[in-house]
Amino acid sequence: EVQLVESGGGLVQPGGSLRLSCAASGFTFRSYWIHWVRQPPGKGLVWVSRINGDGSSTDYADSVKGRFTISRDNAKYTLYLQMDSLRAEDTAVYYCARVSAYSYGFDYWGQGTLVTVSS
Amino acid sequence: DIRMTQSPSSLSASVGDRLIITCRASQSISSYLNWYQQKPGKAPNLLIYAASSLQSGVPSRFSGSGSGTDFTLTISSLQPEDFATYYCQQSYSTPVTFGQGTKVEIK
Repeated sequence: EVQLVESGGGLVQPGGSLRLSCAASGFTFRSYWIHWVRQPPGKGLVWVSRINGDGSSTDYADSVKGRFTISRDNAKYTLYLQMDSLRAEDTAVYYCARVSAYSYGFDYWGQGTLVTVSS
Repeated sequence: DIRMTQSPSSLSASVGDRLIITCRASQSISSYLNWYQQKPGKAPNLLIYAASSLQSGVPSRFSGSGSGTDFTLTISSLQPEDFATYYCQQSYSTPVTFGQGTKVEIK
């Protein structure tokens, strides 16, 4: 069974840092692009970042470029999002999502982890 | 960036109703359009990919159509479990972008 499980969320002060993890199981992790998508409280879905299977290609939303870093450890079946210089507007539930092998849709999502940036 | 606009933003409907949600892209995205359902407190669930292909395990009352810039999601007969928020998403180019969502509520 394919599973994605996020962890690492919590309360952090503006300007602080946090590292999210997404533990994968049930599929060949290194074969898939994985994305981070966030959802501010009561609002819609917003794409954050993506990484290819071997970690050699990454992309970021303009709103997080230079502050967030996506990475992966294929041996540990784990995806990461290092978030630095956090702002109040980064407050959201963060989801990791797998891109389907035969379409470009997100076919599996984690349950999400809440990041709250507040003093 | 490609802007995705859904309409309506919300609607009230009854069990058994036929529902159509539209999604318009700010430029042509061919058929790189996906639809998701999200219930409160849960992650989104892929319903339709490539504009019209039904994701495995999704009931056949859901269907999608369109190409280029205009797309629709149709629910042929609304069921109680379908009351949720629906999002379209383009996977044509980076950054990936989502519509603002359509909340379907019980009339």
